[in-house]
Amino acid sequence: AAGVIQSPRHLIKEKRETATLKCYPIPRHDTVYWYQQGPGQDPQFLISFYEKMQSDKGSIPDRFSAQQFSDYHSELNMSSLELGDSALYFCASSYFTDTQYFGPGTRLTVL
Amino acid sequence: AQTVTQSQPEMSVQEAETVTLSCTYDTSESDYYLFWYKQPPSRQMILVIRQEAYKQQNATENRFSVNFQKAAKSFSLKISDSQLGDAAMYFCASLTSGGGADGLTFGKGTHLIIQP
Repeated sequence: AAGVIQSPRHLIKEKRETATLKCYPIPRHDTVYWYQQGPGQDPQFLISFYEKMQSDKGSIPDRFSAQQFSDYHSELNMSSLELGDSALYFCASSYFTDTQYFGPGTRLTVL
Repeated sequence: AQTVTQSQPEMSVQEAETVTLSCTYDTSESDYYLFWYKQPPSRQMILVIRQEAYKQQNATENRFSVNFQKAAKSFSLKISDSQLGDAAMYFCASLTSGGGADGLTFGKGTHLIIQP
């Protein structure tokens, strides 16, 4: 079965640079979620979109923004990167608000 | 706000034995879902099992089953016939079903070690 696709899988950036993470949900899923998992920590919810509209917001820094496009894929834009932004970023998708299925994650390293 | 507590940072079990991972939660919502996710060394988050709070029957998926005690706000995961591939970090998570696309609230996780 098709899964959530995330790109890139690994990303290395310098401090103060900008990064864009992409997420392609499971076909026919209309809801996308973004999570951040720091080393040795549990995933923290950042933001979600349902039918291209922002639905819920968690602990997302003001330097981060996200959107969901007409084809339901989503992008997480991260500006003025800090060392503390180094983490594993997960995208998950669901049909409406049903069970969330996670992608493989994007590992972001900020130097 | 919801909170999820996993009081066992690490558990160890012999291969083929049974192990139970504990989870307690707190929520003011009357309708919610509970999940167990598994995160192996690959770091992929894999759904293990799901429970709707309004269902009294405990969910079961092959060797995985839960003991859902709603009044006690307890949601433990039992793994029977443990296999080497079960070694992973296990996260308990809760989700309200208020109609919006809410984020999951995770516990801190339990690292499960399988002894051959």
